Amino acid sequence: KQEVTQIPAALSVPEGENLVLNCSFTDSAIYNLQWFRQDPGKGLTSLLLIQSSQREQTSGRLNASLDKSSGRSTLYIAASQPGDSATYLCALHRGSNYKLTFGKGTLLTVNP
Amino acid sequence: DAGVTQSPTHLIKTRGQHVTLRCSPISGHKSVSWYQQVLGQGPQFIFQYYEKEERGRGNFPDRFSARQFPNYSSELNVNALLLGDSALYLCASSPVGLLNTGELFFGEGSRLTVL
Repeated sequence: KQEVTQIPAALSVPEGENLVLNCSFTDSAIYNLQWFRQDPGKGLTSLLLIQSSQREQTSGRLNASLDKSSGRSTLYIAASQPGDSATYLCALHRGSNYKLTFGKGTLLTVNP
Repeated sequence: DAGVTQSPTHLIKTRGQHVTLRCSPISGHKSVSWYQQVLGQGPQFIFQYYEKEERGRGNFPDRFSARQFPNYSSELNVNALLLGDSALYLCASSPVGLLNTGELFFGEGSRLTVL
């Protein structure tokens, strides 16, 4: 059974700081990994998708990496802003049935 | 372009009642998946449908059922509601076949409260 762990559960940083969110998983046989953002009471916004053959993806101030051999992914956020405050979730996709296995998320607070 | 749309956005039911939640996928997406997210947890997979057939099912009781219509929209039905069914129900869509990258796109969810 695939287990996904996100550390830390919560993180508070001052505005402008660079930060890293971590996601670890137990089964390296993944199809892809997707990072999402969730604002309180809202749905999920897709941030980055990394295919199993890729090592990283970048979008603006966000960079996500994938190391299947160690069962880890990181989401790097550069020059954090108060608007980045949200819960960040990583999710793994193993096969063709579109099932994603999620971690519990990291609650990020960026203080002005 | 419209994203994934879900209705209703919020609803309150009492134990034992039945609920129907609706989802319209992004135009051109033929696959729809349903997830349940209880407070403080990540979403849990319930169902996946495309071409009107169930293609995957998570570890949920038979009180949960779903269907997909010819226009690819979908309904999630939950019977005999329990307090523990209170959650945010999320719908996700994705293309299939050659257009499929594996990326899922989620709606804003339907917040169900069972009293």
